[in-house]
Amino acid sequence: GIQVEQSPPDLILQEGANSTLRCNFSDSVNNLQWFHQNPWGQLINLFYIPSGTKQNGRLSATTVATERYSLLYISSSQTTDSGVYFCAVEPGFGNEKLTFGTGTRLTIIP
Amino acid sequence: KAGVTQTPRYLIKTRGQQVTLSCSPISGHRSVSWYQQTPGQGLQFLFEYFSETQRNKGNFPGRFSGRQFSNSRSEMNVSTLELGDSALYLCASSPDRASTDTQYFGPGTRLTVL
Repeated sequence: GIQVEQSPPDLILQEGANSTLRCNFSDSVNNLQWFHQNPWGQLINLFYIPSGTKQNGRLSATTVATERYSLLYISSSQTTDSGVYFCAVEPGFGNEKLTFGTGTRLTIIP
Repeated sequence: KAGVTQTPRYLIKTRGQQVTLSCSPISGHRSVSWYQQTPGQGLQFLFEYFSETQRNKGNFPGRFSGRQFSNSRSEMNVSTLELGDSALYLCASSPDRASTDTQYFGPGTRLTVL
């Protein structure tokens, strides 16, 4: 099946710093979403972005489908940004609805 | 609109028992998918239901099953529980089955098997 790799696995930053999270996928996809999982386990949609660039406040994302990667940018980090960020893709083949990466655990220190 | 709801939120069972989890999708959403999250395997797709029919299935044993009702509510069942079934079970809904649909997740049911 499709492989989804995220980097870095862990990131610790000071409040106010900027960060870039990366998601590489091994084959063509129909759907790519970024999620933030809060400490209580809730997965919150950040972006639906199979290609192109989107921005929402301090967050933005870019997917280059032809090169099979996506980037999530977080600017001016706040402690509430802490949590695990997942990239998930819907392959263009097979039975999987969404295949998730292993996540990036972001910790923002006050 | 109310979000995806899952019940119960927490559950403790013993090995060999069976369990049923429930998911109510966002109003108007017709597709419901289930995922299992464990520390070792991460987030894995279990199955997808649409119009009361299972459309896709992940790589899980037959002990894991589900169904969808005419109002799009879904249940999943795990029989003969094993310790390794301890996990956070997440349900997601989307308007349809199109790959352009964003999936919205519920808060999850945390199952502990003793």
